[in-house]
Amino acid sequence: AQKVTQAQTEISVVEKEDVTLDCVYETRDTTYYLFWYKQPPSGELVFLIRRNSFDEQNEISGRYSWNFQKSTSSFNFTITASQVVDSAVYFCALHGSSNTGKLIFGQGTTLQVKP
Amino acid sequence: DTGVSQNPRHKITKRGQNVTFRCDPISEHNRLYWYRQTLGQGPEFLTYFQNEAQLEKSRLLSDRFSAERPKGSFSTLEIQRTEQGDSAMYLCASSPGAGQVSSGANVLTFGAGSRLTVL
Repeated sequence: AQKVTQAQTEISVVEKEDVTLDCVYETRDTTYYLFWYKQPPSGELVFLIRRNSFDEQNEISGRYSWNFQKSTSSFNFTITASQVVDSAVYFCALHGSSNTGKLIFGQGTTLQVKP
Repeated sequence: DTGVSQNPRHKITKRGQNVTFRCDPISEHNRLYWYRQTLGQGPEFLTYFQNEAQLEKSRLLSDRFSAERPKGSFSTLEIQRTEQGDSAMYLCASSPGAGQVSSGANVLTFGAGSRLTVL
């Protein structure tokens, strides 16, 4: 079975704080992809990043960074110097090679950044 | 291209009525997906199409639900005899087709969703 767990339901930080959103996944596939999506209050899911299972290099994009560790089946997402506009629900998702086309999503983490 | 378009954005209906949602994907995408999202949950897969072929259906998709993509372009999702438990956000997404995973075939672009409220 394939599963994504985001244990943090809600996180609240003050602007400029760093925050890390956790994601743990389960799959028996040797080839798979991991994703993060952002869902702002407007509701539309916005793609942030995709990583494949063979590339464990961490990635940084501006204030966003991702830490992929196969040994712990985790794909954590860090926002540095958070801003109010980062307030949203963030979803981690998994696409396994046995999964045809669909993504398996976690339950999401609601991030509130206060001014 | 304006992205994935869904209509209507909101639908309020009485229990027992039929409703239909429409999704217009990104024109060059040949995969189209339907997901359902309830409050506080992540999107749950319902079904997906490769061109006009419906390749997979979730067990969540009861007999009251039917999806079509007749010409491989837009898709409709119909719910017959709606129940209060059908109240949710119905999300449509599209992606490039098979054989292009390395270049992003499994990167889904989502629409804004159609919110259904069944009274």
